[in-house]
Amino acid sequence: AQKVTQAQTEISVVEKEDVTLDCVYETRDTTYYLFWYKQPPSGELVFLIRRNSFDEQNEISGRYSWNFQKSTSSFNFTITASQVVDSAVYFCALSDPMDTGRRALTFGSGTRLQVQP
Amino acid sequence: NAGVTQTPKFRVLKTGQSMTLLCAQDMNHEYMYWYRQDPGMGLRLIHYSVGEGTTAKGEVPDGYNVSRLKKQNFLLGLESAAPSQTSVYFCASSPDSRNQPQHFGDGTRLSIL
Repeated sequence: AQKVTQAQTEISVVEKEDVTLDCVYETRDTTYYLFWYKQPPSGELVFLIRRNSFDEQNEISGRYSWNFQKSTSSFNFTITASQVVDSAVYFCALSDPMDTGRRALTFGSGTRLQVQP
Repeated sequence: NAGVTQTPKFRVLKTGQSMTLLCAQDMNHEYMYWYRQDPGMGLRLIHYSVGEGTTAKGEVPDGYNVSRLKKQNFLLGLESAAPSQTSVYFCASSPDSRNQPQHFGDGTRLSIL
């Protein structure tokens, strides 16, 4: 079964704290793609990162970093030195299995991050 | 840089009314999708299209119909709106490549009274 679990419903931190958002997935595909999207209070969905299953290198982009571990089926997202502008709902998503032909995404339920000043 | 444009942004309907949500993309993408977002449930796939003239059901298709008469447009119809269809609707498009991210519209907030 295709599934994405974001167990943390809501996280509240104080500005400048580091925070990690967890994502665990299930898929029958051997090649797949994982994504993170940000949904700020204005409501739009902003693409953050794509990771393919055969590249387990961690990725860093400014204050953002992603830790992909195929052995534990996890793709966690860390924000270093959080800022108020990071307050948003963050979604982890998984590509459809290859044989469906849909190329849609399965989304987790999202983690709401509140960064207090 | 229009990307994916959804019309309207907000709408309030009465139970039993019908309406059509319009999605337009200017990126020449083959694949288009309609998702709904409900509190605590993430986004769920309603219908999708893999090219002009084709449509197919997603995970939650009941009560909705779609059409893709032109490559750039994907319409979502509610024939007889029900309160359970109160949600935020997102349209997305993607090119013919599995590893490319989907591009999302800004969403349509729909309330059914």
